[in-house]
Amino acid sequence: GAVVSQHPSRVICKSGTSVKIECRSLDFQATTMFWYRQFPKKSLMLMATSNEGSKATYEQGVEKDKFLINHASLTLSTLTVTSAHPEDSSFYICSARAQFTYEQYFGPGTRLTVT
Amino acid sequence: EDQVTQSPEALRLQEGESSSLNCSYTVSGLRGLFWYRQDPGKGPEFLFTLYSAGEEKEKERLKATLTKKESFLHITAPKPEDSATYLCAVQATSGTYKYIFGTGTRLKVLA
Repeated sequence: GAVVSQHPSRVICKSGTSVKIECRSLDFQATTMFWYRQFPKKSLMLMATSNEGSKATYEQGVEKDKFLINHASLTLSTLTVTSAHPEDSSFYICSARAQFTYEQYFGPGTRLTVT
Repeated sequence: EDQVTQSPEALRLQEGESSSLNCSYTVSGLRGLFWYRQDPGKGPEFLFTLYSAGEEKEKERLKATLTKKESFLHITAPKPEDSATYLCAVQATSGTYKYIFGTGTRLKVLA
């Protein structure tokens, strides 16, 4: 149980274009989903928290107009990187939390490369 | 300020050589402490949740313990497949469910 998927696993896009990453909870309803960014050999950096049907809460320093988050259902959240630039290249990981629980279950991650 | 510190940063063990990883934390109120394992290029895999001092959890060669200031992840007779980065995270009682992560311990077990 507690499986979270992400799609795509890898994506390469050109500078200036937008890319969407999907995060799905496969066997539970995710009251809260989180989006993280991870740099090589570093720990996870929380970008934003989203609750189903509500606007996402962004961490300090994260541009909400650049990283658009939508949590339209209890099993799906999306992260759209708008007007991507090479510095946005990174490993993006989502996690999901079920109602009445505290643990986060993580997706396998998406490797974004902006050329 | 809430924070989490893990030590050592990196650890090399021979197969069968038991050891412990440390996670020290300061948080205004602890809701839970969580251990994860992360393999390169993958998302973290959930291992344990600890809620109160004195609590212990076990899974195969891993055992996690919790005090009021720190948690230990004990690895007994490790195997090469235990090689990974182990992450510790705490969740405060402040009302949100977000984690405060430590920087992780990179474990390498040599055959």
